[in-house]
Amino acid sequence: SQQGEEDPQALSIQEGENATMNCSYKTSINNLQWYRQNSGRGLVHLILIRSNEREKHSGRLRVTLDTSKKSSSLLITASRAADTASYFCATDDTSGTYKYIFGTGTRLKVLA
Amino acid sequence: DSGVTQTPKHLITATGQRVTLRCSPRSGDLSVYWYQQSLDQGLQFLIQYYNGEERAKGNILERFSAQQFPDLHSELNLSSLELGDSALYFCASSWDRDGQPQHFGDGTRLSIL
Repeated sequence: SQQGEEDPQALSIQEGENATMNCSYKTSINNLQWYRQNSGRGLVHLILIRSNEREKHSGRLRVTLDTSKKSSSLLITASRAADTASYFCATDDTSGTYKYIFGTGTRLKVLA
Repeated sequence: DSGVTQTPKHLITATGQRVTLRCSPRSGDLSVYWYQQSLDQGLQFLIQYYNGEERAKGNILERFSAQQFPDLHSELNLSSLELGDSALYFCASSWDRDGQPQHFGDGTRLSIL
């Protein structure tokens, strides 16, 4: 089963608006990562947040982590058409059997 | 460019056949990860190798096997192929053993007819 579940499944916004995606996970983690996938391409690692961090920024990206709720959010500010992609969260499952479990992804479409 | 090379880009074959997917990790990376991405299952972790040794195992079927060679390239072997094996197979690499996949290839699209 998937460790991470992203919400919403799909999101369509206008260029310049902010996009927020959420990720929930099930087990204890050491860190959580967000990735972007353009259609038909491999994943690009965006940002990593460790379990003892609450917020992290990278350019127009802002990630928050709430370990008590087992959830994370990715905010993309001032979105651009080039941000159109699928976004995945991934976690390292410390329970041992599986590692680096990806969520189901949010498909973001930014309209020019 | 991630530096991870996967070949072939596309593969079309029939049920019951066997195929080999190849991955060359980014220069300097010792870990190789394999993932399967299908529409109904999302991105599934299959297996990780670190410096030639199996490091972690995920949802890899018994019909599938992988290995990492001394030059660090890796191969994923899929046998007795079924229609449900049609998917994108991604390879990723990272320099460390217990980190996370940093660099992804563009995948091999496998279509089973």
